[in-house]
Parts: sequence; C-alpha cells; structure tokens
Amino acid sequence: GNSVTQMEGPVTLSEEAFLTINCTYTATGYPSLFWYVQYPGEGLQLLLKATKADDKGSNKGFEATYRKETTSFHLEKGSVQVSDSAVYFCALSVGSNTGKLIFGQGTTLQVKP
Amino acid sequence: EPEVTQTPSHQVTQMGQEVILRCVPISNHLYFYWYRQILGQKVEFLVSFYNNEISEKSEIFDDQFSVERPDGSNFTLKIRSTKLEDSAMYFCASSEAPRENTEAFFGQGTRLTVV
Repeated sequence: GNSVTQMEGPVTLSEEAFLTINCTYTATGYPSLFWYVQYPGEGLQLLLKATKADDKGSNKGFEATYRKETTSFHLEKGSVQVSDSAVYFCALSVGSNTGKLIFGQGTTLQVKP
Repeated sequence: EPEVTQTPSHQVTQMGQEVILRCVPISNHLYFYWYRQILGQKVEFLVSFYNNEISEKSEIFDDQFSVERPDGSNFTLKIRSTKLEDSAMYFCASSEAPRENTEAFFGQGTRLTVV
C-alpha cells in the first residue's frame, strides 16, 4: 500500500542551525510528494512539492529533492529561524483522481533563539 | 488571500451525541475533503467530495459519518452517535482540481473532544 514515514520529533535546534527532517515513502506507481507546514493555531499550508523523480521543490529557504532510488523526500534548510517553529508534514498523492493525500505523522520543530 | 474557514475551532460533545463540523472552502474550488488527526497519530484521509457526491472515502468513513454541501458555500461533516475514539482534530480542505500535483488548501482545523 501507500504510506509515508517521517522522523520522530520533536526536533529542537538553535537559530541558524541546519535542519533535516527525514521522510520516506512507499507507493504503488509514481507519486507526487509534498511538504506541508502547520504554524501554531493555523491550518496546514503547502510548503513545497515535487512531482517526479529528481525534481527539487523549494520555498522560503526550504528544499526537498524527490529521490526515487531511496524513496525519500527529506526536508532541509540551511539556517533555521525562530519563526520556522511549526509542525511539518510529509505527504504523497498517487493514483487517485480525487486528489487524496497520504500524510506522515508530522514532525514538530522548535527553534530556540 | 482566500482561505478555508472551519467552525468551531473546538467542540466538546457527550458520547452518543451528533456533531456537525462546518467548513467554508475557497469560493472557486470544486473539490472538498475532510481529514482527521487523532492526537499523536498521522493525518488520515476521510472523504473527498465533488459535484455533490462522494468521490472517494476511506475505511474510516463508515455509516456514522456523512458529508453535505447544503448551499453554495458550506461543506459539512456530520458524525452521528459520537464515540470516544472520534476525538481528534478534523481538517477540511479544498482544491481547484483533483490532480495529483494540485495544491489542497486546508483550514485551521476543529478539535473535537468526545467525553
């Protein structure tokens, strides 16, 4: 079946540290991959996406590369800020004509000044 | 910026009662979704809705659940005879189209607590 696995949280970093949040997936077919972010008190927002192998999604200094060979879509940022503190969700969509998303469990990031 | 709005933000209900969670999707969107997240677990797909009918539903979405678009703006999730295990955060989402790479816009969620 289709599934997404994210690294356990919470992740606590100091400001300007390098961030990696691991995400691996299992899919039948060729999924599109997404990172969503949820800031405190808000809904899920699309952060970035990649629709085919070797694509790199990027936004707000965050990047993730679609790695088919390792079935991964790890989220990275070179220098995190306090304002990046949020919950990050990796998700995929595959083989559905309804746009259904399959999510990982979310990783909480806390950035300290 | 257009957004998906959910009400209420928090709902407490007694076991066995019916609840209706409300959502106002983005006005030009045609596809609507409900997801839920039980505390500490994954965000799970419940149902998708298009053209006034369910287009896909998960195993979770049994006869206890129903969705409706009662007018041109609202999209509701009804849970009949709530159970303790229905306690979760419920997210509504909408999109222009259901293609795999189309962005879904999410509301801020309704936290349902069944006591």
